[in-house]
Amino acid sequence: NAGVTQTPKFRILKIGQSMTLQCAQDMNHNYMYWYRQDPGMGLKLIYYSVGAGITDKGEVPNGYNVSRSTTEDFPLRLELAAPSQTSVYFCASRNRGFSPGELFFGEGSRLTVL
Amino acid sequence: KNEVEQSPQNLTAQEGEFITINCSYSVGISALHWLQQHPGGGIVSLFMLSSGKKKHGRLIATINIQEKHSSLHITASHPRDSAVYICAVGGSEKLVFGKGTKLTVNP
Repeated sequence: NAGVTQTPKFRILKIGQSMTLQCAQDMNHNYMYWYRQDPGMGLKLIYYSVGAGITDKGEVPNGYNVSRSTTEDFPLRLELAAPSQTSVYFCASRNRGFSPGELFFGEGSRLTVL
Repeated sequence: KNEVEQSPQNLTAQEGEFITINCSYSVGISALHWLQQHPGGGIVSLFMLSSGKKKHGRLIATINIQEKHSSLHITASHPRDSAVYICAVGGSEKLVFGKGTKLTVNP
């Protein structure tokens, strides 16, 4: 049982480049999330999905895009990378329900934009 | 004012001490989460609670819905407890996170 798997763990990008952060979960969770964590700040929600084919913006969606074609996968696309996108990115998932379950996080992806 | 406030921001303790970390929130919630993040590491869920109290080993989490307040207690603290502890609250879909409390336990 792998849980939530994120790749890559580290990446350096040049300004203007694009890339995709991959996230996959094997727990059949409906809800999936992308957060960014900046030093000294709480986790900020970028995008989330409540099921395959459904995505919605969070607090800080500008410069990012997502898709959810399957229950398992929730990739985050960075277009035209900017230094402000230097951060640690976490993917998370949990069950849907009247009382949604515990959150499961990936190990994080550290992105530097130079 | 942030929707989720944690206190203290930083906490240093000696091994064996009783630790309390507090979380106050201003939004309506269906559940509150306590998370742990070790330096350079990932984030793991410690507790999810919507009422009362939960205990897991040396960790105890309580919540008072009326006062919109939760506490995380660590009994007999150990250096391996050194980490950032994060409080998160929310409804059925999204969560709001506190900035975290950095705990250092010295031997």
